[in-house]
Amino acid sequence: AQKVTQAQTEISVVEKEDVTLDCVYETRDTTYYLFWYKQPPSGELVFLIRRNSFDEQNEISGRYSWNFQKSTSSFNFTITASQVVDSAVYFCALSGGNAGNMLTFGGGTRLMVKP
Amino acid sequence: DVKVTQSSRYLVKRTGEKVFLECVQDMDHENMFWYRQDPGLGLRLIYFSYDVKMKEKGDIPEGYSVSREKKERFSLILESASTNQTSMYLCASSSAGTGGQPQHFGDGTRLSIL
Repeated sequence: AQKVTQAQTEISVVEKEDVTLDCVYETRDTTYYLFWYKQPPSGELVFLIRRNSFDEQNEISGRYSWNFQKSTSSFNFTITASQVVDSAVYFCALSGGNAGNMLTFGGGTRLMVKP
Repeated sequence: DVKVTQSSRYLVKRTGEKVFLECVQDMDHENMFWYRQDPGLGLRLIYFSYDVKMKEKGDIPEGYSVSREKKERFSLILESASTNQTSMYLCASSSAGTGGQPQHFGDGTRLSIL
């Protein structure tokens, strides 16, 4: 069975602080995919990034960066110089190499960025 | 641009009613999904469909059924609504293939059962 754990249920930071959202996963698949989604107050989940299990290179996209470490089964997400618009619920998710692309989601981390 | 549209943002129904939640996607995706979202539990898969008239149970199918008569439309049905089905419901779609295709989500329907 697959499992995704986001231990931080809620994080509050002041604007311009850096913040890291943790994600730990469990799977027996050798091929799998990890995702991060953002859910702003409007409700729609927005796809941010996908990594496959064979690519452990870190990725940076503007103020966002992701650190994938298979040795610790973690896929952490860092926002640099946070902004109020980053306030949202962030979900980490896992998909095995199965047809149907079913996702297992973590419980989500609510990030509040205060001005 | 990718678009998944859910018919209602907010819905209030009574216990025992039959409730229909509609979802339409315009991306010609083969796969469609229904989730419910509850605080602290993340998103839990109710049903998914990988083709017209095909459906598979997810993690929490009890009390729900689905219908997919056309490729672009996936309906979630609460046969006899109960108060424990008060939740946020999210529809998603993705292209076919092995794992790794990102799912695209609608805005969600916040359903209250009184």
